[in-house]
Amino acid sequence: QVQLVQSGAEVKKPGASVKVSCKASGYTFTSYYMHWVRQAPGQGLEWMGIINPSGGSTSYTQKFQGRVTMTRDTSTSTVYMELSSLRSEDTAFYYCARDSCGGDCPGYFQHWGQGTLVTVSS
Amino acid sequence: EIVLTQSPGTLSLSPGERATLSCRASQSVSSSYLAWYRQKPGQAPRLLIYGASSRATGIPDRFSGSGSGTDFTLTISRLEPEDFAVYYCQQYAISPWTFGQGTKVEIK
Repeated sequence: QVQLVQSGAEVKKPGASVKVSCKASGYTFTSYYMHWVRQAPGQGLEWMGIINPSGGSTSYTQKFQGRVTMTRDTSTSTVYMELSSLRSEDTAFYYCARDSCGGDCPGYFQHWGQGTLVTVSS
Repeated sequence: EIVLTQSPGTLSLSPGERATLSCRASQSVSSSYLAWYRQKPGQAPRLLIYGASSRATGIPDRFSGSGSGTDFTLTISRLEPEDFAVYYCQQYAISPWTFGQGTKVEIK
């Protein structure tokens, strides 16, 4: 069965960077795009961007352009999301979510990681 | 960017009652590329409906989705205890993927 297992909670100081991992199993890693979604405490869901694990191409929402970097390691079936210049407003749960479509087509989020809490505090 | 507006913000109902949740898009969502998710406290969201009306694997038939264009509805025919949660609609027709702000279904 498809599983997405994320790295553990992080506490960072303002201005620092954080790198969250998402290890995939139960399917062909390079066949499905992966998304990152964040959720501030008590708030709604916010899409951050997408990575194609096959070629590594990425697309980020404008809000995070210049601060977010998504990468992948095909040898370990893991995708990463790094967010830099952290501020208190970045305190949130960060989720990876696998796209439903195996290719360049519109996909919903069929499988989700358990979430990683990133806390930004001085 | 397609903006999704969900209503109501909160729905207060009793177990066994019917719940009707609305999601309105700022522009037409092509090919009904609209999904619904349920999020219980402390958990990741779970896919319920895709393509506006198709139930995801393992989702009971008390959940149904309908609509097209700019107006979509999620109906829960008889609320079970596990259904008291927050529900989000999402469009995946065009990037950026966007979510509604959520509807909380709470116990009356």
